Amino acid sequence: AQTVTQSQPEMSVQEAETVTLSCTYDTSESDYYLFWYKQPPSRQMILVIRQEAYKQQNATENRFSVNFQKAAKSFSLKISDSQLGDAAMYFCAYRSPNNYGQNFVFGPGTRLSVLP
Amino acid sequence: EAGVVQSPRYKIIEKKQPVAFWCNPISGHNTLYWYLQNLGQGPELLIRYENEEAVDDSQLPKDRFSAERLKGVDSTLKIQPAELGDSAVYLCASSFRDTENYEQYFGPGTRLTVT
Repeated sequence: AQTVTQSQPEMSVQEAETVTLSCTYDTSESDYYLFWYKQPPSRQMILVIRQEAYKQQNATENRFSVNFQKAAKSFSLKISDSQLGDAAMYFCAYRSPNNYGQNFVFGPGTRLSVLP
Repeated sequence: EAGVVQSPRYKIIEKKQPVAFWCNPISGHNTLYWYLQNLGQGPELLIRYENEEAVDDSQLPKDRFSAERLKGVDSTLKIQPAELGDSAVYLCASSFRDTENYEQYFGPGTRLTVT
Protein backbone atom coordinates (compact mmCIF):
# COMPACT_ATOMS: atom_id res chain seq x y z
CA ALA A 1 0.00 0.00 0.00
CA GLN A 2 1.11 3.50 -0.67
CA THR A 3 2.14 5.80 2.17
CA VAL A 4 2.75 9.53 2.29
CA THR A 5 5.02 11.16 4.85
CA GLN A 6 5.31 14.80 5.77
CA SER A 7 8.13 15.14 8.27
CA GLN A 8 7.46 18.76 9.24
CA PRO A 9 4.41 19.04 11.52
CA GLU A 10 4.80 22.82 11.66
CA MET A 11 6.64 25.45 9.66
CA SER A 12 6.76 29.19 9.78
CA VAL A 13 7.85 31.79 7.26
CA GLN A 14 8.19 35.53 7.24
CA GLU A 15 5.85 37.37 4.93
CA ALA A 16 7.35 37.81 1.44
CA GLU A 17 9.94 35.08 2.07
CA THR A 18 10.13 31.60 0.56
CA VAL A 19 9.35 28.35 2.31
CA THR A 20 9.60 24.72 1.25
CA LEU A 21 7.36 21.96 2.59
CA SER A 22 8.59 18.38 2.34
CA CYS A 23 6.76 15.27 1.25
CA THR A 24 7.97 11.76 0.59
CA TYR A 25 5.94 8.78 -0.51
CA ASP A 26 6.32 5.08 -0.95
CA THR A 27 4.98 3.22 -3.96
CA SER A 28 5.83 0.41 -6.31
CA GLU A 29 3.88 1.94 -9.17
CA SER A 30 5.61 3.75 -12.00
CA ASP A 31 2.78 6.06 -12.94
CA TYR A 32 0.75 8.07 -10.48
CA TYR A 33 -0.38 11.55 -9.52
CA LEU A 34 0.76 13.78 -6.70
CA PHE A 35 -1.07 16.73 -5.22
CA TRP A 36 -0.68 19.46 -2.66
CA TYR A 37 -3.89 20.55 -0.95
CA LYS A 38 -4.36 23.58 1.30
CA GLN A 39 -6.80 23.60 4.19
CA PRO A 40 -7.30 27.03 5.78
CA PRO A 41 -8.92 27.38 9.19
CA SER A 42 -12.28 27.58 7.42
CA ARG A 43 -11.67 23.89 6.72
CA GLN A 44 -12.44 23.62 2.99
CA MET A 45 -9.66 21.80 1.21
CA ILE A 46 -8.53 23.34 -2.03
CA LEU A 47 -6.06 22.09 -4.60
CA VAL A 48 -2.81 24.02 -4.79
CA ILE A 49 -0.87 22.12 -7.40
CA ARG A 50 -0.64 18.69 -9.05
CA GLN A 51 2.06 16.67 -10.76
CA GLU A 52 1.81 13.68 -13.08
CA ALA A 53 4.64 11.25 -12.43
CA TYR A 54 5.29 10.70 -16.14
CA LYS A 55 6.09 14.37 -16.60
CA GLN A 56 9.67 15.31 -15.85
CA GLN A 57 8.95 19.01 -15.74
CA ASN A 58 8.12 20.35 -12.31
CA ALA A 59 4.65 21.85 -12.02
CA THR A 60 4.27 25.54 -11.24
CA GLU A 61 1.21 27.58 -10.36
CA ASN A 62 1.93 31.25 -9.82
CA ARG A 63 3.84 31.49 -6.50
CA PHE A 64 3.66 27.74 -5.93
CA SER A 65 6.06 25.26 -7.46
CA VAL A 66 7.14 21.72 -6.78
CA ASN A 67 10.41 19.86 -6.79
CA PHE A 68 9.52 16.38 -7.98
CA GLN A 69 12.28 13.83 -7.58
CA LYS A 70 10.82 10.55 -8.83
CA ALA A 71 13.78 8.35 -8.02
CA ALA A 72 13.92 9.69 -4.48
CA LYS A 73 10.11 9.60 -4.20
CA SER A 74 10.13 13.17 -3.03
CA PHE A 75 7.59 15.89 -3.81
CA SER A 76 8.28 19.18 -2.05
CA LEU A 77 6.24 22.37 -2.33
CA LYS A 78 7.88 25.77 -2.59
CA ILE A 79 5.88 28.87 -1.78
CA SER A 80 7.51 32.07 -2.96
CA ASP A 81 6.67 35.58 -1.76
CA SER A 82 4.62 34.15 1.12
CA GLN A 83 1.43 35.98 1.98
CA LEU A 84 -0.63 36.02 5.16
CA GLY A 85 -3.36 34.13 3.29
CA ASP A 86 -1.02 31.22 2.76
CA ALA A 87 -1.30 30.28 6.43
CA ALA A 88 -3.02 26.90 6.52
CA MET A 89 -2.54 23.17 6.81
CA TYR A 90 -0.91 21.72 3.72
CA PHE A 91 -1.46 18.11 2.77
CA CYS A 92 0.50 16.10 0.28
CA ALA A 93 -1.55 13.43 -1.49
CA TYR A 94 -0.88 10.47 -3.76
CA ARG A 95 -3.27 8.93 -6.27
CA SER A 96 -2.82 5.73 -8.21
CA PRO A 97 -3.39 5.61 -11.96
CA ASN A 98 -6.99 5.18 -13.02
CA ASN A 99 -6.81 1.47 -13.65
CA TYR A 100 -6.07 0.93 -9.97
CA GLY A 101 -8.98 2.99 -8.77
CA GLN A 102 -9.08 6.57 -7.70
CA ASN A 103 -8.26 6.43 -4.01
CA PHE A 104 -6.16 9.22 -2.64
CA VAL A 105 -3.67 8.74 0.20
CA PHE A 106 -2.97 11.83 2.27
CA GLY A 107 -0.01 12.70 4.43
CA PRO A 108 -0.45 13.94 8.01
CA GLY A 109 -0.07 17.57 7.01
CA THR A 110 2.18 20.53 7.75
CA ARG A 111 0.82 23.57 9.53
CA LEU A 112 2.26 26.70 7.95
CA SER A 113 2.29 29.98 9.82
CA VAL A 114 3.08 33.23 8.03
CA LEU A 115 4.59 35.93 10.21
CA PRO A 116 3.97 39.58 9.38
CA GLU B 1 -20.66 26.18 -10.77
CA ALA B 2 -21.81 25.12 -7.32
CA GLY B 3 -19.27 23.27 -5.24
CA VAL B 4 -19.68 20.19 -3.09
CA VAL B 5 -22.41 20.83 -0.56
CA GLN B 6 -22.49 19.22 2.87
CA SER B 7 -24.93 19.50 5.71
CA PRO B 8 -25.03 20.06 8.55
CA ARG B 9 -21.82 22.00 9.11
CA TYR B 10 -21.82 21.20 12.82
CA LYS B 11 -23.50 18.50 14.86
CA ILE B 12 -23.39 17.81 18.59
CA ILE B 13 -24.94 14.60 19.87
CA GLU B 14 -24.77 12.40 22.91
CA LYS B 15 -23.07 9.03 22.66
CA LYS B 16 -25.23 6.14 21.52
CA GLN B 17 -27.40 8.49 19.45
CA PRO B 18 -27.65 8.16 15.66
CA VAL B 19 -26.41 10.85 13.29
CA ALA B 20 -26.50 11.36 9.53
CA PHE B 21 -24.49 13.54 7.18
CA TRP B 22 -25.54 14.57 3.70
CA CYS B 23 -23.43 15.38 0.67
CA ASN B 24 -24.35 16.69 -2.76
CA PRO B 25 -21.40 16.47 -5.17
CA ILE B 26 -20.65 18.75 -8.08
CA SER B 27 -23.08 18.15 -10.92
CA GLY B 28 -21.83 15.45 -13.27
CA HIS B 29 -19.22 14.06 -10.91
CA ASN B 30 -19.57 10.31 -10.85
CA THR B 31 -17.04 9.59 -8.11
CA LEU B 32 -17.87 10.48 -4.52
CA TYR B 33 -15.69 10.04 -1.45
CA TRP B 34 -16.36 10.20 2.26
CA TYR B 35 -13.37 10.93 4.47
CA LEU B 36 -12.78 11.07 8.20
CA GLN B 37 -10.43 13.77 9.41
CA ASN B 38 -9.24 13.78 12.99
CA LEU B 39 -7.85 16.97 14.46
CA GLY B 40 -4.41 17.77 13.11
CA GLN B 41 -4.36 14.82 10.73
CA GLY B 42 -4.93 14.16 7.06
CA PRO B 43 -8.18 12.82 5.65
CA GLU B 44 -8.68 9.06 5.75
CA LEU B 45 -10.94 7.42 3.21
CA LEU B 46 -14.09 5.79 4.56
CA ILE B 47 -15.83 4.90 1.33
CA ARG B 48 -15.66 5.66 -2.39
CA TYR B 49 -18.56 5.48 -4.82
CA GLU B 50 -18.45 5.17 -8.58
CA ASN B 51 -21.96 6.31 -9.49
CA GLU B 52 -24.21 4.34 -7.13
CA GLU B 53 -21.75 1.53 -6.51
CA ALA B 54 -19.56 1.45 -3.41
CA VAL B 55 -16.26 0.31 -4.94
CA ASP B 56 -14.10 0.68 -1.84
CA ASP B 57 -15.54 0.52 1.65
CA SER B 58 -12.72 -1.42 3.25
CA GLN B 59 -12.07 1.32 5.84
CA LEU B 60 -15.71 1.82 6.79
CA PRO B 61 -16.49 0.43 10.28
CA LYS B 62 -19.52 -1.48 9.16
CA ASP B 63 -20.75 -2.35 12.62
CA ARG B 64 -21.86 1.23 13.16
CA PHE B 65 -21.30 3.15 9.92
CA SER B 66 -23.38 2.92 6.78
CA ALA B 67 -23.58 4.93 3.58
CA GLU B 68 -25.75 5.11 0.53
CA ARG B 69 -25.83 6.82 -2.82
CA LEU B 70 -29.04 5.48 -4.24
CA LYS B 71 -29.32 7.42 -7.50
CA GLY B 72 -25.64 8.01 -8.02
CA VAL B 73 -25.92 11.66 -7.08
CA ASP B 74 -26.17 12.76 -3.45
CA SER B 75 -25.05 10.57 -0.59
CA THR B 76 -25.75 10.02 3.09
CA LEU B 77 -23.32 8.74 5.72
CA LYS B 78 -24.82 7.42 8.94
CA ILE B 79 -23.43 6.45 12.32
CA GLN B 80 -25.53 4.39 14.69
CA PRO B 81 -24.79 4.39 17.54
CA ALA B 82 -22.21 7.15 17.83
CA GLU B 83 -19.25 6.76 20.15
CA LEU B 84 -17.01 9.37 21.75
CA GLY B 85 -14.19 8.44 19.38
CA ASP B 86 -16.31 9.36 16.38
CA SER B 87 -15.82 13.05 17.13
CA ALA B 88 -14.09 14.36 14.00
CA VAL B 89 -14.69 16.20 10.76
CA TYR B 90 -16.41 14.23 8.02
CA LEU B 91 -15.43 15.39 4.57
CA CYS B 92 -17.13 14.68 1.29
CA ALA B 93 -15.36 15.05 -2.04
CA SER B 94 -16.20 14.37 -5.66
CA SER B 95 -14.40 14.00 -8.95
CA PHE B 96 -15.16 13.31 -12.59
CA ARG B 97 -13.59 10.01 -13.51
CA ASP B 98 -12.82 10.70 -17.11
CA THR B 99 -10.92 13.94 -16.76
CA GLU B 100 -7.19 13.90 -17.20
CA ASN B 101 -6.39 15.44 -13.88
CA TYR B 102 -8.68 13.41 -11.62
CA GLU B 103 -8.83 16.32 -9.23
CA GLN B 104 -10.95 15.97 -6.13
CA TYR B 105 -13.19 18.80 -5.02
CA PHE B 106 -13.97 18.93 -1.33
CA GLY B 107 -16.96 20.13 0.60
CA PRO B 108 -16.64 22.21 3.78
CA GLY B 109 -17.11 19.16 6.01
CA THR B 110 -19.29 18.37 9.00
CA ARG B 111 -17.74 18.71 12.42
CA LEU B 112 -19.21 16.06 14.71
CA THR B 113 -18.90 16.30 18.47
CA VAL B 114 -20.04 13.32 20.52
CA THR B 115 -20.51 14.02 24.23
